[in-house]
This record gives sequence, C-alpha cells and structure tokens, in this order.
Amino acid sequence: QKEVEQNSGPLSVPEGAIASLNCTYSDRGSQSFFWYRQYSGKSPELIMFIYSNGDKEDGRFTAQLNKASQYVSLLIRDSQPSDSATYLCAVIKAGGTSYGKLTFGQGTILTVHP
Amino acid sequence: AAGVIQSPRHLIKEKRETATLKCYPIPRHDTVYWYQQGPGQDPQFLISFYEKMQSDKGSIPDRFSAQQFSDYHSELNMSSLELGDSALYFCASSFGRIRTDTQYFGPGTRLTVL
Repeated sequence: QKEVEQNSGPLSVPEGAIASLNCTYSDRGSQSFFWYRQYSGKSPELIMFIYSNGDKEDGRFTAQLNKASQYVSLLIRDSQPSDSATYLCAVIKAGGTSYGKLTFGQGTILTVHP
Repeated sequence: AAGVIQSPRHLIKEKRETATLKCYPIPRHDTVYWYQQGPGQDPQFLISFYEKMQSDKGSIPDRFSAQQFSDYHSELNMSSLELGDSALYFCASSFGRIRTDTQYFGPGTRLTVL
C-alpha cells in the first residue's frame, strides 16, 4: 500500500462545475499537506498547502484536512478547461530523520470539458 | 519572481555514460531536494541537502551522488547510466529552517538513456 493514495481517475467534469479530488495518507506523523498541479511533461506547480484541520480557501481552490480520518481533499470551483491536468497530493512527515521530503500520491487526472 | 533553475533541460546519453544535472535554488533558499519521475509515475524523492550538508536520502542508486556547494547550488552526478534511468529529474528548493516549508520545483531535466 502506498503511503499516499489518490484515485487515479480520470475525473471528468463539465466547465463551471466543482471538481473534488481526494487523498488519504497512512502515516499519522504527517504534518504538512500539499496539492500540486502538473501538466504533461512539466514540473509540479504548487496549488495549495494546509497544515491544520479544517478548510483553507484560495480563490477557486479549497483544501480540506481531517487528520483524524487521515484525509485531505481539494475542491476546484468553477472548473475551467485550463484546470485539466494531473493533481498530485503530497505529504511531509517532519521529525525524526525526515527533513521535509515530499511523499506523493500517484496523482489524479482531471479533465474539464467545455 | 526568481524560480528554481535547472540545467540542462534535455540530456541524451548512452548506456554506461555519466551525466551531471545542475540545480540553482531560489535566492535565499538553503535547502535543495532532488526527485525522479519516471513515465506515468509520481515523483520519487532521491536526496536532499540543507546548508550544504546531506539531510535526507531516499531511493537513490549507489551509482548516483550529489552535493550542495557554497553558493547553495546542487549537482546530481549519475554514472554507469542504465536505460531505466530515463526520467524527468526535478530539483526543488525551500527555505529550510522549518522542515515543513513549501518546496518549489524547477522545470526539470529530461534524461534519455539510449
């Protein structure tokens, strides 16, 4: 079992809809949670980060974290075709011998169709 | 704003050759991470440096070595290249005093081993 699990999709939503991306993680020592967007052949681009339980909103994006359930999600409101990409969930386990390396999920492919 | 710089952007090598990938972090960032992303896979952590010292090591083959220099740039040296080393190699940087600080990725080096 991967330490970070995502539905690989593809997830297809119509333009203007809400896209919901989910991620679970296995290590309760995980402290920081990130969502990256990656277009094919390009580098991961940071979308959101969240450290505390609850919701965090930034423009059309909302990240939700529930540490008790070991669950983190990303909502994209008013989805646009330009949002079509692979979304990577990543976690950092701070402390011990870990100095901030990101552990990624396998990514969810999102397609927003006009 | 200045971003992470990687060079070269593309590299083609033969089996058993050596390759050197370079990474220049965002100014004032003191931590560098290297990740390898194979086709259709999520990025895998290789190695990281904080203040010119190796801080963490992941699934990096013994054929690979890396270091961070006094100006904080980093180089990943790869020897005895194998076909399976063909991948995208990303460098990321952060201001690493807090272990959970956000990492920003460079554009990557696409290595093709023939």
